[in-house]
Amino acid sequence: GAGVSQSPRYKVAKRGQDVALRCDPISGHVSLFWYQQALGQGPEFLTYFQNEAQLDKSGLPSDRFFAERPEGSVSTLKIQRTQQEDSAVYLCASSPRQGAGEKLFFGSGTQLSVL
Amino acid sequence: AQSVTQLGSHVSVSEGALVLLRCNYSSSVPPYLFWYVQYPNQGLQLLLKYTSAATLVKGINGFEAEFKKSETSFHLTKPSAHMSDAAEYFCAVISNFGNEKLTFGTGTRLTIIP
Repeated sequence: GAGVSQSPRYKVAKRGQDVALRCDPISGHVSLFWYQQALGQGPEFLTYFQNEAQLDKSGLPSDRFFAERPEGSVSTLKIQRTQQEDSAVYLCASSPRQGAGEKLFFGSGTQLSVL
Repeated sequence: AQSVTQLGSHVSVSEGALVLLRCNYSSSVPPYLFWYVQYPNQGLQLLLKYTSAATLVKGINGFEAEFKKSETSFHLTKPSAHMSDAAEYFCAVISNFGNEKLTFGTGTRLTIIP
């Protein structure tokens, strides 16, 4: 596709429900990042993949958060037993090279609301 | 650890006036600095980046930023604001090239007054 695609665009979950957020990066991009953006805040790093390898997951807030990129393209961010504090916009970004020093291409995000 | 501070969460300027958005960084090693812009319902887009090649960096849409080590600043400017510049602007830093963690500031919402 022309850009980074994220789905769903909006997700409403009841507290305790599991959710899965999908990211389709630009074809051929090596690096993939997930960020969490709370209302009125800047994006905060969650995790980083280089191809299928998850090289850094230090930003995941708890063990309820899990991300995968099994074939080095599409990535899924899964949140188990959602809590109200998980409400945020989840942004995916990809880059043609290793790391974030090059230009990152961002998707429009998935807005998660936990009731 | 590296970080950036954006002064002013909201800035309003008249159409045609100078735009100045402030960013100060904190890094123990020479930083790489970025400005990203977020239009409503769109993903963040890179405006410009500083990677030590030149202190004055020109970006897209007429924006530029100057790296000032003595002031630890990387302020974003545009000589003449246009209505289409209304958006949220984020300053970001990486402490060394190749680091994966791009650290963002809290953002500045720019409003253009007709």
